[in-house]
Amino acid sequence: QVQLQESGPGLVKPSETLSLTCTVSGGSISSYYWSWIRQPPGKGLEWIGYIYYSGSTNYNPSLKSRVTISVDTSKNQFSVKLSSVTAADTAIYYCARGADLQPLDLWGQGTLVTVSS
Amino acid sequence: EIVLTQSPATLSLSPGERATLSCRASQSVSNYLAWYQQKPGQAPRLLIYDTSKRATGIPARFSGSGSGTDFTLTISTLEPEDFALYYCQQRTNWITFGQGTRLEIK
Repeated sequence: QVQLQESGPGLVKPSETLSLTCTVSGGSISSYYWSWIRQPPGKGLEWIGYIYYSGSTNYNPSLKSRVTISVDTSKNQFSVKLSSVTAADTAIYYCARGADLQPLDLWGQGTLVTVSS
Repeated sequence: EIVLTQSPATLSLSPGERATLSCRASQSVSNYLAWYQQKPGQAPRLLIYDTSKRATGIPARFSGSGSGTDFTLTISTLEPEDFALYYCQQRTNWITFGQGTRLEIK
């Protein structure tokens, strides 16, 4: 069955750029929307943005100036970059299948990213 | 931004009882309301989408209802594995989540 797996550094320094990749296995990335969601430790869920397999994107307005989501269909992967991070960006980052036109029906296990010097 | 307010924040019940969780939206979300279950150390799992449609593999004891701005998740007969955190989510205007309801064992 289709599975999602996040990967990337678990520690990022303040003011640097957080970069994560989600690998989709067991199925094609095509014909679906793909989202990034984050959850600060002990807190609720925040949608970061999504990308369609064709490359069109939509971002949370509160993060839009710092976020870029991209897709590599040849590798069945999509990625997120968040620039100028601060301690407030410390969170578990999840990738998921779905967006505003499709429910978030499949999630990765999540990866904790800590922003600290 | 559409704000989702969940109530109660914590619900204390016993196995075998019926659970009713509420989600109120600051403006209409049509029927694009979903419910997720999250257990400690795990990713959220989709339970209900489009107000009342059960996701694949979700037991029939989970049901959703509502419209416009007021929605309910009902668990008809609580099983031990149902005690967890529950979030509602809308996808009408961007994507936003409620703050969660913790369902704990009484």
